[in-house]
Amino acid sequence: DAGITQSPRHKVTETGTPVTLRCHQTENHRYMYWYRQDPGHGLRLIHYSYGVKDTDKGEVSDGYSVSRSKTEDFLLTLESATSSQTSVYFCAISQGVLGGYTFGSGTRLTVV
Amino acid sequence: DQQVKQNSPSLSVQEGRISILNCDYTNSMFDYFLWYKKYPAEGPTFLISISSIKDKNEDGRFTVFLNKSAKHLSLHIVPSQPGDSAVYFCAAREGIYNNNDMRFGAGTRLTVKP
Repeated sequence: DAGITQSPRHKVTETGTPVTLRCHQTENHRYMYWYRQDPGHGLRLIHYSYGVKDTDKGEVSDGYSVSRSKTEDFLLTLESATSSQTSVYFCAISQGVLGGYTFGSGTRLTVV
Repeated sequence: DQQVKQNSPSLSVQEGRISILNCDYTNSMFDYFLWYKKYPAEGPTFLISISSIKDKNEDGRFTVFLNKSAKHLSLHIVPSQPGDSAVYFCAAREGIYNNNDMRFGAGTRLTVKP
């Protein structure tokens, strides 16, 4: 495996509660991303980071925030979870050179 | 607004035959294209890519073709094997080295029957 892990793998939470998903890499890659996967939409970018404390919004960032205080960790927070945020969340890393991303195994989040 | 479209949600082929997965894009600024493969309960894995300066890229059984004028690309798998059964995502971005935003299609589920 490429040294990227996501936690937790599964989570069920109630509407209105805060939730934090964690992505951890051991590759020392500069770029990290959070995507969500939904049927009919494929993968959509939520937020990304291009370095420690350097983050930016993606295509579907509303309702999400991120933090990156260390190169190896990229956290995604749902401030107040809603049912529309039920999804599978993938973290990805990139060296920033030609080629694709390396994805984690995903976190399945259910908001009830 | 989906800038990358995979209009076939599923495809079924016989083992040994050719699988052709199609992808269309609307953003003429896209110049780097990738295919990812995803098995259940796993993350997508990078399969093959092509830049806009080429119209074909080959890697073993996998070949990607790019038709810039039609804004269309396709992935050919020859011969198809049961282990190729997975969801395939097409992706595109502006700039070969641009790491800020990659757009994905909705995916095509390929089933290869023995």
